[in-house]
Amino acid sequence: EAQVTQNPRYLITVTGKKLTVTCSQNMNHEYMSWYRQDPGLGLRQIYYSMNVEVTDKGDVPEGYKVSRKEKRNFPLILESPSPNQTSLYFCASSPTAGTNEQFFGPGTRLTVL
Amino acid sequence: DQQVKQNSPSLSVQEGRISILNCDYTNSMFDYFLWYKKYPAEGPTFLISISSIKDKNEDGRFTVFLNKSAKHLSLHIVPSQPGDSAVYFCAASVDNYGQNFVFGPGTRLSVLP
Repeated sequence: EAQVTQNPRYLITVTGKKLTVTCSQNMNHEYMSWYRQDPGLGLRQIYYSMNVEVTDKGDVPEGYKVSRKEKRNFPLILESPSPNQTSLYFCASSPTAGTNEQFFGPGTRLTVL
Repeated sequence: DQQVKQNSPSLSVQEGRISILNCDYTNSMFDYFLWYKKYPAEGPTFLISISSIKDKNEDGRFTVFLNKSAKHLSLHIVPSQPGDSAVYFCAASVDNYGQNFVFGPGTRLSVLP
């Protein structure tokens, strides 16, 4: 089954404790992206990747890191999480950047205490 | 300042009637627009899109209209069904390759039986 998977689905952590949210897609997509969803703000793009080893900042990259060492994986790294990063996070992928339909993962709900 | 606005946080419609969801944008550089639907505890799923060279795109019960001069687009669902109850996000591409996406805050549609 073609899908985007994220782990974990739920995470409660404390301020400053490094964490990684994994994202994997099995569709051989070139383009991957991370979003956060907050009430009243919709989805805001954090980082995106056009292909392996090619990443770029979205609208809200502060406090996040990403890497794209393999085509299928695009982990989101919070080196020192803070409470304002409490949010619902979505990973998405599409065949190429020019293909605008994105396939989203199920989401990761992160709470930073 | 939100570049993509959905001014109605919620909308209720009777089953069988038309649902009209509205979206306004401020950036005249947007050249591709998309609608996504999101059910609780799931990631958004692509619904329909429209290029700025068109003013209408239709797919079954779903039609998107684009008014470039007014920087306004709308999604029409006819006839509305209870399964259409979800949050609908309007999104826009900032550049030709769709690398960076801007989403609106979403409208929660409730279709009443």
